[in-house]
Amino acid sequence: EVQLAESGGGLVQPGRSLKLSCAASGFTFSDYYMAWVRQAPTKGLEWVASISYDGGSTYYRDSVKGRFTISRDNAKSSLYLQMDSLRSEDTATYYCTTDWGIAAISPLFAYWGQGTLVTVSS
Amino acid sequence: DIVLTQSPALAVSLEQRATISCKTSQNVDNYGISYMHWYQQKPGQQPKLLIYEGSNLASGIPARFSGSGSGTDFTLTIDPVEADDIATYYCQQSKDYPYTFGAGTKLELK
Repeated sequence: EVQLAESGGGLVQPGRSLKLSCAASGFTFSDYYMAWVRQAPTKGLEWVASISYDGGSTYYRDSVKGRFTISRDNAKSSLYLQMDSLRSEDTATYYCTTDWGIAAISPLFAYWGQGTLVTVSS
Repeated sequence: DIVLTQSPALAVSLEQRATISCKTSQNVDNYGISYMHWYQQKPGQQPKLLIYEGSNLASGIPARFSGSGSGTDFTLTIDPVEADDIATYYCQQSKDYPYTFGAGTKLELK
């Protein structure tokens, strides 16, 4: 069974940093791009960042470029999101998801974690 | 960025058909494959993949869910609607970065 378990969320002041982690199990982690998708309270879904199979390529939405860093450790089947210079508009539940599978035609978010809430407030 | 437009809400009766539309600002097909996917999200839960590449049913999803369309116009159909289907439905394109979602259509009971 595929499992994705996020951790690291919490309350943080504007301008500070936070690092999210996602522990994956039940599938071959290195066979998937991985991604972070967020959802602000009562709002819709928003893609944040993706990372390639070996971590050699990363992709970000403009609003987090230069502030967030996505990374992975295939040996530990883990995904990370380093979030610096946090803003109030970054307040959201952050979901870890599988992205482009090595055998798939198109990128898609097949499996999702339960999410971890990040609140940016003074 | 590719913009996806969905109606905010749809009221439907149980055992009737629900049709949810998603229109994109650019073509999301690539070599004949639609890079369009549909997700269901219930309150307090993570999203769940329902339909991928326009019309393919994801694993474990009941056959009353179906997807159609190509290019810039896509539809998610639920027939018949069951009580467990009351949720918010999102379309999403993966043709180009940034990947984008529609704002979601909240399915409500009439």
